[in-house]
Order: sequence, then structure tokens, then C-alpha cells
Amino acid sequence: QSVLTQPPSVSAAPGQKVTISCSGSSSNIGNNYVYWYQQVPGTAPKLLIYDNNRRPSGIPDRFSGSKSGTSATLGITGLQTGDEADYHCGTWDSSLSAVIFGGGTKLTVL
Amino acid sequence: QLQLQESGPGLVKASETLSLTCTVSGGSIISTSYYWGWIRQSPGKGLEWIGSIYHSGATHYNPSLKSRVAISVDTSKNLFSLKLRSVTATETAVYFCGASRYYDTLTAFYLAWFDPWGQGTLVTVSS
Repeated sequence: QSVLTQPPSVSAAPGQKVTISCSGSSSNIGNNYVYWYQQVPGTAPKLLIYDNNRRPSGIPDRFSGSKSGTSATLGITGLQTGDEADYHCGTWDSSLSAVIFGGGTKLTVL
Repeated sequence: QLQLQESGPGLVKASETLSLTCTVSGGSIISTSYYWGWIRQSPGKGLEWIGSIYHSGATHYNPSLKSRVAISVDTSKNLFSLKLRSVTATETAVYFCGASRYYDTLTAFYLAWFDPWGQGTLVTVSS
């Protein structure tokens, strides 16, 4: 069971917007940066968002991140079929002194 | 462009030691910008951090695995390695290596995001 809680799945139609939540506690999300990764099945995770809301070079601005209190959210606008993947949140837990991840959310673009 | 590649046996017997190596190319493992880490993913499950190492040999391990894990670095060969003792069938997983940024201040240390990742290697533990 993951320390961070994500919904197992979300879905939306092409062109629409979707949000994926990641819930934690004061020892992790509440006091540390959040990261988001995209993982197409059978491949390695790819960094989408770092430091809560910053995008690495090459990541389109359709992807955004935000944090409030002990929860974080990944937003994806203008959904494309190529966005179908698993999305993982991650952060540092100061009490555990460990990197922790959510259980992952499967995005289906209908 | 930094690239990482895992290598090692794809099959390990239960109760034995899992050993993997991650070779770094396109950059130096003695870079001050990165910690080098291992993450695994059981079939159909989420990601689990195993541990990370700095080029100096400083390590940080997942508390749940700390008693069985050893990560080492070979700066002459630009690689780092994972050893996980006494494995069980539930530890069948894809094992990834990755480069992580970190924050190290007077008051706090923590590992940050992983980028890039290796392609991953499936290790099956036979019971």
C-alpha cells in the first residue's frame, strides 16, 4: 500500500481536460516538492513535472502541476490518445527519510 | 545526453541475492548534480524506491529494505550496482536505475526527481 494516494483510474474524451490527484501528509507533500511521471506500459517512467509545477524542457504546457496543503494535482488539457498512460506522483518523506510514490493512475482517453 | 542501462540476471532463486548493475553513459558518475538510484515496479503495481548512492559512496536506503540492500559505486567504470539479499517471489519486478537530483542544505537533505531513467530490466524470483 502506497504512502501517497492516487485514484486507480481516470478517463476523459479527446480534447477534454482531466485532473489526477495525489494525497499525502505533512511529512511528505505538505513540506516537500512533488514530482509527476508519465509511464507508457512497457517503458520507463518519464519526468513530467518537478518542484510542484515546473516542466522539463520538451514537456508541452498542456501538462501542469499544482499543490495545496497535503495534496497535489496533475492537470492535462487538450487530451490526446497519445496521453494514455499511467501517471505517478512522487515526493520525499521527511519522517521516513525516503522517496515515496503513489500507486499510479491509469488514464484512458475515450 | 545522460543515459543509463541496467544489466544482470533475469532469473534469481528465492532466498538468494539479486545483483544488478547500472552503467552510466553520456556523463560522469562523479557529477555533483546527481544521486544514483534504484526503483522497482512489481507487475501491475506502483513504483517503489530501493535506495540511492552518491559518487562518494554515501547511501540512502528505503527503511523497509535497508537490512537486505547494498548499493555500491565504481567510479572507474562509471557504474553503480545493487545487491538485494534473501529475495522472495514477491520481489519479482522490473528494476529501474535512475539519476536523481537532490537538495542538501544546512537544515535538510532530500532526494528529488528522477531523470533520466534506464529502460528497466525484469527480474523474476523463482520459488
